[in-house]
Amino acid sequence: RKEVEQDPGPFNVPEGATVAFNCTYSNSASQSFFWYRQDCRKEPKLLMSVYSSGNEDGRFTAQLNRASQYISLLIRDSKLSDSATYLCVVNIMGKLSFGAGTTVTVRA
Amino acid sequence: GAVVSQHPSWVICKSGTSVKIECRSLDFQATTMFWYRQFPKQSLMLMATSNEGSKATYEQGVEKDKFLINHASLTLSTLTVTSAHPEDSSFYICRLREGSYNEQFFGPGTRLTVL
Repeated sequence: RKEVEQDPGPFNVPEGATVAFNCTYSNSASQSFFWYRQDCRKEPKLLMSVYSSGNEDGRFTAQLNRASQYISLLIRDSKLSDSATYLCVVNIMGKLSFGAGTTVTVRA
Repeated sequence: GAVVSQHPSWVICKSGTSVKIECRSLDFQATTMFWYRQFPKQSLMLMATSNEGSKATYEQGVEKDKFLINHASLTLSTLTVTSAHPEDSSFYICRLREGSYNEQFFGPGTRLTVL
């Protein structure tokens, strides 16, 4: 079983829509969690950390459910520039495990 | 934010040649450097971890004699793909950690294509 699993998508949504997707992790000892954004042929860039109480950064909301071992990301009022692959990243004792990513395409 | 560079950003080579990729931190000292590779539509896979001045620790399944890592200083790490083959074609990315547990910076990546 992979350490981090994501629905690969793609999620094709119109501008202004809300899109949400999850990520599950297998190791209950996972310590911290992140969402990264990766554009085609580029390096991943940190979008936001995910905190136990859930957190919001502008149009992006992240949730963590330790009991069920999943993380979610919700994008409100999606923009064309949100089109990217979103990587779920889990930190276990300093080692990062990456999901394969969820591709989101926002269309005009 | 911290700046990390990788060179070259893109390389095409013939099968059997060796390719060296450099990862540099430009404005901080990286105590630990990580090398990843990413095949299309797949996740980043950790290849090895290196600390300055010591031998790299390789992940299971990664051949240390094929992927030579040298972390010669706190600002430079190199990954050499020896006798590259088409199956080594991938996106190679370094990640640097600056002491603090949560400080992590990715290089822009190197796309290797082996013909």
